[in-house]
Amino acid sequence: SAVISQKPSRDICQRGTSLTIQCQVDSQVTMMFWYRQQPGQSLTLIATANQGSEATYESGFVIDKFPISRPNLTFSTLTVSNMSPEDSSIYLCSVEKGNTIYFGEGSWLTVV
Amino acid sequence: ILNVEQSPQSLHVQEGDSTNFTCSFPSSNFYALHWYRWETAKSPEALFVMTLNGDEKKKGRISATLNTKEGYSYLYIKGSQPEDSATYLCAFPPAARQLTFGSGTQLTVLP
Repeated sequence: SAVISQKPSRDICQRGTSLTIQCQVDSQVTMMFWYRQQPGQSLTLIATANQGSEATYESGFVIDKFPISRPNLTFSTLTVSNMSPEDSSIYLCSVEKGNTIYFGEGSWLTVV
Repeated sequence: ILNVEQSPQSLHVQEGDSTNFTCSFPSSNFYALHWYRWETAKSPEALFVMTLNGDEKKKGRISATLNTKEGYSYLYIKGSQPEDSATYLCAFPPAARQLTFGSGTQLTVLP
């Protein structure tokens, strides 16, 4: 299994500011994944964070808006830049171990 | 775009009732089907990973079946308890290690 810690767990942010979410895993993993769930929507994959290379972004998500760092095999950050109310979401990081994908507890962001 | 659909969107049942909900997914190029339980303020918790047509898996009072030919999976909860209240998500991987999620079934079990 994998234990994933995310920070912050919750935040209220001003429009136009940026916030960085941290994700720490208790073991080394090759890939880490960042998901978002907007109100009333499905969990949607934002990007895959690879150690030592650029993150791979899904359609509709761009690096300028969601820059990702992956400095080592147990840690990643996701920044939500120039936030607007539409960015109010739960952001989750996840990793794969064996045949199962494990998630952090999520970061609940509200943009006002 | 992959469509993973879940129904119903929400469900209220009385404690002790049994219930079930559905996940529909593309039947072509099947790889696996995942079920998760997501309680408020907690991590989504993996329940089952199902890979074979006809699979039936069980964890306590919760069980799931899989039909890959017609593209659906059922999740059953026997004798629902208030602690079963959560959102139940199914997910289908379009590629290894990635998941496309349904929008979930929000279950509320009333004492």
